[in-house]
Amino acid sequence: NAGVTQTPKFQVLKTGQSMTLQCAQDMNHNSMYWYRQDPGMGLRLIYYSASEGTTDKGEVPNGYNVSRLNKREFSLRLESAAPSQTSVYFCASSEAGDGNTIYFGEGSWLTVV
Amino acid sequence: SQQGEEDPQALSIQEGENATMNCSYKTSINNLQWYRQNSGRGLVHLILIRSNEREKHSGRLRVTLDTSKKSSSLLITASRAADTASYFCAFKVPGTYKYIFGTGTRLKVLA
Repeated sequence: NAGVTQTPKFQVLKTGQSMTLQCAQDMNHNSMYWYRQDPGMGLRLIYYSASEGTTDKGEVPNGYNVSRLNKREFSLRLESAAPSQTSVYFCASSEAGDGNTIYFGEGSWLTVV
Repeated sequence: SQQGEEDPQALSIQEGENATMNCSYKTSINNLQWYRQNSGRGLVHLILIRSNEREKHSGRLRVTLDTSKKSSSLLITASRAADTASYFCAFKVPGTYKYIFGTGTRLKVLA
């Protein structure tokens, strides 16, 4: 059981370049999330998808776009990367409804130079 | 910001001692969860406490919730070096699908 798988694990981008972080879950979860983690800031929600076909902004959506390709996959795109987007990105998923466990991927370390 | 605040930010204790970390939040909640993150890894669920519960236990973990003060605490008893990690509280904003996490407490248990 792979759980939540995200790629790539590490990436270095130049300012202005674009890239897509891929995420897939095999637990048949309805809800999926993208968070970024910065030192001293904890995890901040970028975008989430309550169910297939829907996406919504989280706390820090600026500079990002997402696609819920199907129930399994939820991608995060940086159209024009900026140094402020240097961070660790986590994809996560859960069953819909309150009180359900959130399952996380192992993280993607992104550096924008 | 809806983000939860945790304190202390960092905690260093000796093996065998108890570790207590606190989480405060601003919105009303239906339940609160605690997660653990080992260095360089994703978060892993530890325990959930519902809004109608005051205290919950799971092994060496004890969680309390005070909805009137909008705060929760996580106690790890008889800590071990393997408990060294960051700990986060998390809650869902009612009426949304957004899960919000606290800023985290970095726990270091010295052998």
